[in-house]
Amino acid sequence: AIQLTQSPSSLSASVGDRVTITCRASLGISSGLAWYQQKPGRPPKVLVYDASTLQNGVPSRFSGSGSGTAFTLTISSLQPEDFATYFCQQFDSFPVTFGGGTKVEIK
Amino acid sequence: VQLVESGGGLVQPGRSVRLSCTASGFTFGDYNVNWVRQAPGKGLEWVGLIRSLGFGGTTEYAATVKGRFSISRDGSHGIAYLQMNSLKAEDTGKYYCVREDYGAYSPYFDLWGQGTLVTVSS
Repeated sequence: AIQLTQSPSSLSASVGDRVTITCRASLGISSGLAWYQQKPGRPPKVLVYDASTLQNGVPSRFSGSGSGTAFTLTISSLQPEDFATYFCQQFDSFPVTFGGGTKVEIK
Repeated sequence: VQLVESGGGLVQPGRSVRLSCTASGFTFGDYNVNWVRQAPGKGLEWVGLIRSLGFGGTTEYAATVKGRFSISRDGSHGIAYLQMNSLKAEDTGKYYCVREDYGAYSPYFDLWGQGTLVTVSS
């Protein structure tokens, strides 16, 4: 199974900060990576798919990049509603796997 | 457009339970449907999928549930099922039904239900 390692596992940031989350795959997955945001008590919501394509309706302050084994999710200017947990996911091969998550907390 | 899960609850170890996922607002048969679970306070774990009717309705499973869980679908009623047998304590968690869409390179999960909680305990 392809393992996805996210870093950091948690971070504290202030409103307006630029935040970068990294996801590394144990094998190359081309551009087959998606990013999800999850708030407490809610299901995840897709932000980015195909490594860099923004889902309809997602604010442009979110962006994804990378290919192969190294990927990043960037929030250019953190907003109050962005405090949540973020997961990466690969669907390049079965089993589908998720990263362990990055919790973004208020500083 | 939504997915609604039902059927969760408290189940004894070794017993069975069947979860349902009812779709509305879109052509259910055109999409692959996945199940993803989340143990309390933990991350996301893919459970399995059933392909669309156009792709034969075939299934894939995670190694942790293969042989114990099975996914099926009733295309005429827009419902997917997750049959869970020989339940273990580690199967405890919220189970999400998820619709799969396709990007240019890879599938992704574009629509999630609210989830249904399964607790395996004596």
